[in-house]
Amino acid sequence: EPEVTQTPSHQVTQMGQEVILRCVPISNHLYFYWYRQILGQKVEFLVSFYNNEISEKSEIFDDQFSVERPDGSNFTLKIRSTKLEDSAMYFCASSIRLAGTYEQYFGPGTRLTVT
Amino acid sequence: AQTVTQSQPEMSVQEAETVTLSCTYDTSESDYYLFWYKQPPSRQMILVIRQEAYKQQNATENRFSVNFQKAAKSFSLKISDSQLGDAAMYFCAYRSDAMRGGGADGLTFGKGTHLIIQP
Repeated sequence: EPEVTQTPSHQVTQMGQEVILRCVPISNHLYFYWYRQILGQKVEFLVSFYNNEISEKSEIFDDQFSVERPDGSNFTLKIRSTKLEDSAMYFCASSIRLAGTYEQYFGPGTRLTVT
Repeated sequence: AQTVTQSQPEMSVQEAETVTLSCTYDTSESDYYLFWYKQPPSRQMILVIRQEAYKQQNATENRFSVNFQKAAKSFSLKISDSQLGDAAMYFCAYRSDAMRGGGADGLTFGKGTHLIIQP
């Protein structure tokens, strides 16, 4: 069964550095998403992406974040200047219309640790 | 803005017994979707079951079923014949259908319920 993949599984970076988290959505899916989960807290929506542009974004998704689909398969989340509070699990998801709705399939996540 | 509340931080059940996880939500919309996701220790998010708000019939997936009460804005998950592999965090999630069939809306999650299965 096809699945969403994410790399790396764990990323450690220093405060102020830029990081790029990578995702390969399921190949025939149309919408792509990023979520984050700070340890012990709920999963929070960051952004959705469709047809090479942002569709929706939350208030968390400020100017330090950007997303890109640089080629036909990858979907990336860039954090420009990381802060300690960016430490979290970042989940990528993708969806396709099935039986009248879009079901989101999640990747295994990237654990980002900012020191 | 929509909110999702899971009032049970932790639940424990004996193997083979039945357990119900609670979820309530707040929305002013009439069209939306509700989901239960499972997050085992690996932290992968796995879709368990979904419910369309316009459907009166409760969704069922094998041992998993929901009790959807639209007027009460309640969406509980029942797990029958609990198995050790069911041990995980369970998240209730809401998605608007404001885009009328589009997929742009993100999911709004509750804080989760940690389900423990006692052998």
